[in-house]
Amino acid sequence: LAKTTQPISMDSYEGQEVNITCSHNNIATNDYITWYQQFPSQGPRFIIQGYKTKVTNEVASLFIPADRKSSTLSLPRVSLSDTAVYYCLVGDEDSGAGSYQLTFGKGTKLSVIP
Amino acid sequence: ETGVTQTPRHLVMGMTNKKSLKCEQHLGHNAMYWYKQSAKKPLELMFVYSLEERVENNSVPSRFSPECPNSSHLFLHLHTLQPEDSALYLCASSHSGTSANNEQFFGPGTRLTVL
Repeated sequence: LAKTTQPISMDSYEGQEVNITCSHNNIATNDYITWYQQFPSQGPRFIIQGYKTKVTNEVASLFIPADRKSSTLSLPRVSLSDTAVYYCLVGDEDSGAGSYQLTFGKGTKLSVIP
Repeated sequence: ETGVTQTPRHLVMGMTNKKSLKCEQHLGHNAMYWYKQSAKKPLELMFVYSLEERVENNSVPSRFSPECPNSSHLFLHLHTLQPEDSALYLCASSHSGTSANNEQFFGPGTRLTVL
């Protein structure tokens, strides 16, 4: 069963760029990497998704190396409202049981400091 | 507004009670999910339904019983729970399939406390 690994927490000052990396060793060939954001007392919210190289949208960028065993979420010029927990999600197949798992990482708690 | 609603938002129950959590999605999606989120563990996928049929049951104890009467509604029936079952229970839906490739839309969750 594949696992994802993220830093438990990160601190950043307002206006800085923040990079959060997720490791995922057994990602399936056809699977994408998806990042979610979660504020306290709310469900997670989709931020960005990618398969390889670089993806950018209005809120973030996602960098994925050629081996796809990791991904980096980049938040440009963070503000206080970016304080949240960030999760990476990959799908993986348990080769033993043949079942399909949706594996969230443990999440990275980002604290933005004024 | 995510289009996924959950009721109740908070629930306190004793170990001998029977209660149900309700989830409703207004997005026209075909897949629905139950997750458990506790303080010490990451988001744990409990059940997945696709087109009203259960496609995944991640070794969840039988005291949790899901029900999906149609593609818009999902229930989680609870009975004889344990204090360690106290957690935030999140419902999500996605357009089709159960791959991580499909964006999931989450509800606000039900905060469950088992006494």
